[in-house]
Parts: sequence; structure tokens; C-alpha cells
Amino acid sequence: NAGVTQTPKFRILKIGQSMTLQCTQDMNHNYMYWYRQDPGMGLKLIYYSVGAGITDKGEVPNGYNVSRSTTEDFPLRLELAAPSQTSVYFCASTYAKRGGTDTQYFGPGTRLTVL
Amino acid sequence: AQTVTQSQPEMSVQEAETVTLSCTYDTSESDYYLFWYKQPPSRQMILVIRQEAYKQQNATENRFSVNFQKAAKSFSLKISDSQLGDAAMYFCAYRSLASGTYKYIFGTGTRLKVLA
Repeated sequence: NAGVTQTPKFRILKIGQSMTLQCTQDMNHNYMYWYRQDPGMGLKLIYYSVGAGITDKGEVPNGYNVSRSTTEDFPLRLELAAPSQTSVYFCASTYAKRGGTDTQYFGPGTRLTVL
Repeated sequence: AQTVTQSQPEMSVQEAETVTLSCTYDTSESDYYLFWYKQPPSRQMILVIRQEAYKQQNATENRFSVNFQKAAKSFSLKISDSQLGDAAMYFCAYRSLASGTYKYIFGTGTRLKVLA
């Protein structure tokens, strides 16, 4: 198993550009999450999904969009990039069920800089 | 809403010594999970230990153990026989088990330095 993979690892965007951060998991997890981590801070939830076709906003959704057309993939779209979106982005997944381990598995992160 | 607080931005420990990282949380729920994650310079988030709130027994994983005080809403991490490889950011996280809630809440982290 590759676990949770994210592409790209690094990206520099100009203000106003758009891009999609890719996330794929091969563990058949039902829940997937996108977080951002600003320097010296903890993780803040952007969006999450409890299954294909179902997504919901987290704590900081403005400026982002997601979709979940398959169990494996959960891309994060940035429209009109702004300097405030400079951050490290983590994708995570878990298989949540009553009595399960409910442990999140994280991807390696994408470092995004908006200039 | 639930909150997670890590009041120690940075801690230091001598190699082979023991260190305790603090975490407190606020919730009105009785059923939840608590986690400690480690983030080394590679940025990879690694699960260290997990505690179910309904279990009174404190979780342990080799050199890592927790002191879970449910009434006090405290969840500290003890690292024994500290090693240089333990140097990292450590995050405490809360996961509600209330129906329809699927979110994890993370603290702001504690940076642990291990001195040789």
C-alpha cells in the first residue's frame, strides 16, 4: 500500500492563479480530509468528505473547493490564489466505524507559496 | 465547540531523560478519542498514541505513555528514555464520537528539543 499520496510536493503560484492539489489513498478509507498548517501553528480543517459524493466545510473553507467522485481521490482546488493561502497542505484519511481504530493517516504534505 | 490547548510552545529534554507534554481539552461530550501525533522536520504526521475516552486505563506504546484524566480534561504525553529521534513537533488532537461529527481538532503543538 502506498497509503496517502499528495502531488505536487512544492508549488509556487502567482496571485490570481488557480491550481488543484491532488490526494489519493489506497486503503479504501471512507473519510478524507484537507488541512492547512501555517508556520508554527497546528492543523486547521479546510474541507472533509465522509464518502464519494459527500463533502462538507471545515474551519477555513473560503477560497477552496473540493470534490469526491471516487473513494480514492479527494482533490483540493484553489481559485484565485492569494498570499494568505501560503501554507503547507495535508491530506488525510481514515476508516471510521464504531469500535474501529479511527486513526488518521496523513500524506507527506504540499508546500504552497503564493507570491 | 470543542477546543484543544497545548500551553507549552517548546520543551527541552536531555537524552535518556523523561519529559511530559501537556494537553487540555474542552468538551461537553462523554465519548471521544484523543491522539498524540509527531511531526518531525520531514513534515510527515505520525501517530504516536491513541486513547479512547471510555477506557480508564492509560494507553502505552513502548517509551510513550499518556496520563488521561477525564474529569480534569487533561491528556499529557510522557516520553521516557528520550532519544535524539524524538525531536519534533507534537500535536494533541480530539475526535468526537457524536453522531454526524467527523472532525478532528488539533492543538497548536509543542516543539520538543532533545539535547545530547
